[in-house]
Amino acid sequence: QVQLQESGPGLVKPSETLSLTCAVSGYSISSGYYWGWIRQPPGKGLEWIGSIYHSGSTYYNPSLKSRVTISVDTSKNQFSLKLSSVTAADTAVYYCARHDYSKTFDYWGQGTLVTVSS
Amino acid sequence: QSALTQPASVSGSPGQSITISCTGTSSDVGSYNLVSWYQQHPGKAPKLMIYEGSKRPSGVSNRFSGSKSGNTASLTISGLQAEDEADYYCCSYAGSSTLFGGGTKLTVL
Repeated sequence: QVQLQESGPGLVKPSETLSLTCAVSGYSISSGYYWGWIRQPPGKGLEWIGSIYHSGSTYYNPSLKSRVTISVDTSKNQFSLKLSSVTAADTAVYYCARHDYSKTFDYWGQGTLVTVSS
Repeated sequence: QSALTQPASVSGSPGQSITISCTGTSSDVGSYNLVSWYQQHPGKAPKLMIYEGSKRPSGVSNRFSGSKSGNTASLTISGLQAEDEADYYCCSYAGSSTLFGGGTKLTVL
């Protein structure tokens, strides 16, 4: 069974960089699929942040592209998100998920709340 | 790129059928039959209910079905049950990008 688990600080100060990691178990990232990050502000809808292919190719939401970096560490079977220059608008539950070429997200992490506040 | 458009809320009584629409453009929903639908209960991660427009993952009830016409995809839930009360999101392939709908809150009366 494929499982994903997000980890990282739950509180980030404005203007700093948000960093999260998604550990994958039950499937080797290097075997295929895309690995993505999605966020959900409190009481609002889902927003795709970006994805990385197992080969390392990245795809970002145009509205966040200038601030986002997604990387993969196949040796640790995990992938990471960095979002720079955060503001209160970046406060959200951040999910990691696996998807295929059709953007079908079949496995999701439980989500982690990140609050941007001084 | 804008989010896909969904109604904010829909409701139905147990046993009835409801349909949730998801409207995009000719660049996303209209060009590909690659819309997926997710169910989200409060405090939980989204769960895949329909993929590639009309396919159901193993374990998802056949009361859930998907379709598409032009730039609009639809999710139909038949035989409504209390446990179907949740938020529903559509998601579309859009080339190198991915678009989600704003979400629809389903209330089972």
